[in-house]
Amino acid sequence: EAQVTQNPRYLITVTGKKLTVTCSQNMNHEYMSWYRQDPGLGLRQIYYSMNVEVTDKGDVPEGYKVSRKEKRNFPLILESPSPNQTSLYFCASSSSEHNSPLHFGNGTRLTVT
Amino acid sequence: AQRVTQPEKLLSVFKGAPVELKCNYSYSGSPELFWYVQYSRQRLQLLLRHISRESIKGFTADLNKGETSFHLKKPFAQEEDSAMYYCALKTSYDKVIFGPGTSLSVIP
Repeated sequence: EAQVTQNPRYLITVTGKKLTVTCSQNMNHEYMSWYRQDPGLGLRQIYYSMNVEVTDKGDVPEGYKVSRKEKRNFPLILESPSPNQTSLYFCASSSSEHNSPLHFGNGTRLTVT
Repeated sequence: AQRVTQPEKLLSVFKGAPVELKCNYSYSGSPELFWYVQYSRQRLQLLLRHISRESIKGFTADLNKGETSFHLKKPFAQEEDSAMYYCALKTSYDKVIFGPGTSLSVIP
């Protein structure tokens, strides 16, 4: 089944403790992206990647890192999480073909205390 | 500037009534426009894209380049349509810009 898989679904951590949220897709998509969803603010892009070893900042990249060593994986790294990073995070992927839509993961709800 | 606006944060309609969720965009290039839907506690999923000009779950959306709009319409709302709806613009550089979303509530 074609899908985007994020792990974990829920994560509670403390300020400053490094964490990684994994994202994997099995559709051979070139494009992958991370979003955070906050009430009243909608979806905001954190980072995106056009292909392996190509990453770029989105609208809210501060406090986050990503890597794209393999085509299928696009982990999101929080080196020193802070409470303002408490949010619902979505990973998404799409092919580079014209008008191809995004496929989303199930989301990761992160709480930083 | 590239931007997507959805003027209504919340929209409530009665079951069986027509519904229109508004979306306007700002983009100088040739836009690729999408509607995504998020049901409660679920992932976002594609509802419509302008290129396909199809009707999904009774919803349609027409791209109006003159008015830079891509409004989502359904003639008769159903309770199962209650969800969060996001309009999205994909630029020529593959960047996807989302609107703030409209929460649709269909009253039985």
